[in-house]
Amino acid sequence: NAGVMQNPRHLVRRRGQEARLRCSPVKGHSHVYWYRQLPEEGLKFMVYLQKENIIDESGMPKERFSAEFPKEGPSILRIQQVVRGDSAAYFCASSPRIGAEGGVYGYTFGSGTRLTVV
Amino acid sequence: SQQGEEDPQALSIQEGENATMNCSYKTSINNLQWYRQNSGRGLVHLILIRSNEREKHSGRLRVTLDTSKKSSSLLITASRAADTASYFCATDAGNTGFQKLVFGTGTRLLVSP
Repeated sequence: NAGVMQNPRHLVRRRGQEARLRCSPVKGHSHVYWYRQLPEEGLKFMVYLQKENIIDESGMPKERFSAEFPKEGPSILRIQQVVRGDSAAYFCASSPRIGAEGGVYGYTFGSGTRLTVV
Repeated sequence: SQQGEEDPQALSIQEGENATMNCSYKTSINNLQWYRQNSGRGLVHLILIRSNEREKHSGRLRVTLDTSKKSSSLLITASRAADTASYFCATDAGNTGFQKLVFGTGTRLLVSP
C-alpha cells in the first residue's frame, strides 16, 4: 500500500523555464493538498484539490502557478517562468474523505520535490 | 504570520531524557496536529488532538492542549537518537470545510547517544 508518491525528488530549472511537479495520492484518498516549505520555515498551504476540482487555491501565487488533479493520473503543480524565489521544497499530501461523523484525519505526506532555480 | 509558533526553536538532549516542545497559536481551532520531519524528508503525522480534548497519548508521545491559553505541548519520553528530527505543530481552524492546516516554524530536536 504505497504512500504519497512525488516526483521528481529534485528538480533544477533555469530562470524562465517551467517546472512540473507530480503527486500520486495514497490509493483511496480523494483529497490532495500542496504545501511549500522555504528553508528553515514551516509549510505553507498552497492549494486543495479533489478529482477535477480546485476547492481552495487561496495560498497560490496569483501568477505563474497552477494546479490540477485530473480524473486519471497524478496531481500536477505547474510553475511557469520560474524565478529564484520559487526555490523551495514542495510537498503534496493526501487524506481520506472526511467521514460523515465529521472526523478528520492527519495528512499523509509525500517526500517532496526540492526545486532549485539557478 | 504563522498561526503556530514552536518553542524552543532548537533542543539538544541525551538519549533517555524527555523532550518537551511547545506550540502557541492565535485563533480558535478545530484540532491541532503534530508532525515530525526528518532532514530532507516529508512530514510524518504523529498525533491529532481535537479542541474538546485536553490530553492524548500515543506510545512515548504525550500531547496536551489548553484552548484557553491557545497552546499545546508535545512530550517525548525516554528519547532515542532516532527521534532526532524537526517537529511541527499544525492547526486546523475548521472553518473552511476541509483540513487547511497552518504550520508553525518547528522545533529542531537533536538526541545524542
